[in-house]
Amino acid sequence: AQRVTQPEKLLSVFKGAPVELKCNYSYSGSPELFWYVQYSRQRLQLLLRHISRESIKGFTADLNKGETSFHLKKPFAQEEDSAMYYCALRSTGNQFYFGTGTSLTVIP
Amino acid sequence: GAGVSQSPSNKVTEKGKDVELRCDPISGHTALYWYRQRLGQGLEFLIYFQGNSAPDKSGLPSDRFSAERTGESVSTLTIQRTQQEDSAVYLCASSLALQTYEQYFGPGTRLTVT
Repeated sequence: AQRVTQPEKLLSVFKGAPVELKCNYSYSGSPELFWYVQYSRQRLQLLLRHISRESIKGFTADLNKGETSFHLKKPFAQEEDSAMYYCALRSTGNQFYFGTGTSLTVIP
Repeated sequence: GAGVSQSPSNKVTEKGKDVELRCDPISGHTALYWYRQRLGQGLEFLIYFQGNSAPDKSGLPSDRFSAERTGESVSTLTIQRTQQEDSAVYLCASSLALQTYEQYFGPGTRLTVT
């Protein structure tokens, strides 16, 4: 069965420190993985997807098929990064599976 | 243009009543998705539409749940004989096409079943 696991419900880091939000998945096929973000009082929005291999707002995420992970990283956290982050997987049947989310707080 | 809108924003209903939740996607978006988010949990995929067609309804939690979409536009999610465990935020999202990855989410409808 498809599953996305985000082991950390809450994560706090100091401004300027590196941050890593963990995501592990289980999927029998070739996964498509995404990170979504929800800032306070805003809608859920796409942050990045593994296919594009892009860096958005300084965040990157590398798909590691051997470890079935798609961790989100940023070398220097900023206060405006404080938000709820969701890892998501899209199946070949076009269904999306979301993790339970990690609430990131960047301490000034 | 306008983003995805959902109505009502909040709905309180008595157990056993039927409710209808509405989603207006971004104009021109052919794909539409419904999710449920219970308190403290992740998003639970319910159903998606490609145009007016929903190829896979297996994500709907029970036969009390149904969804339809007309005119490749508005979609309604209907919950019959609501139960307390139906209490959740129901989110709708749309994307330009199924093949496009970016989903644009609505603000959600918070359903409380008393």
